[in-house]
Amino acid sequence: QQQVKQSPQSLIVQKGGIPIINCAYENTAFDYFPWYQQFPGKGPALLIAIRPDVSEKKEGRFTISFNKSAKQFSLHIMDSQPGDSATYFCAASKNSGGSNYKLTFGKGTLLTVNP
Amino acid sequence: DAGVTQSPTHLIKTRGQQVTLRCSPKSGHDTVSWYQQALGQGPQFIFQYYEEEERQRGNFPDRFSGHQFPNYSSELNVNALLLGDSALYLCASSWTSTETQYFGPGTRLLVL
Repeated sequence: QQQVKQSPQSLIVQKGGIPIINCAYENTAFDYFPWYQQFPGKGPALLIAIRPDVSEKKEGRFTISFNKSAKQFSLHIMDSQPGDSATYFCAASKNSGGSNYKLTFGKGTLLTVNP
Repeated sequence: DAGVTQSPTHLIKTRGQQVTLRCSPKSGHDTVSWYQQALGQGPQFIFQYYEEEERQRGNFPDRFSGHQFPNYSSELNVNALLLGDSALYLCASSWTSTETQYFGPGTRLLVL
């Protein structure tokens, strides 16, 4: 059972475009939703995260939109650059008791930004 | 401020062997989680350690075991290696009572 579904699997945009990556979750107990960026051969790096009591969060060129009723959230990258080319993962976690968190990841989106 | 470090960076083993991977958490963090990332997939949670005890475990067999030391560093052990264990093994650290996890660069394990 895949608890976090991510789409699209891959995405190609031109420099300056606004790629949008979408995720949907099933477990309403999830209460923390981070996005990670991963370059080939590297570990995931935390980009931005949101909680369900907020509908939007912006950090630099990265924006998360959150729709609690639809159980969906998305990442927007403004003014995308070739250096943004990477794999992006959405994730979700919930407090499993005793402040015990584990991350459940989507399958990832390979973003290519052409110059 | 050093981030999460892992060793070794790469490892090649044969089926049936045993392997130990190591992780040092980010300074000030006391909780370590391990994830397995197969090629082209998202990381999957293996288990989490806090106060030298396994606090939560994902859907992985008992061949996967771990340990946390008093200095918060951690080891992941995998026994009786299978070809399917080939993956990038990621360590993530966090401060207890917080959700934010920071990942290390990973150890790439190849089982032949």
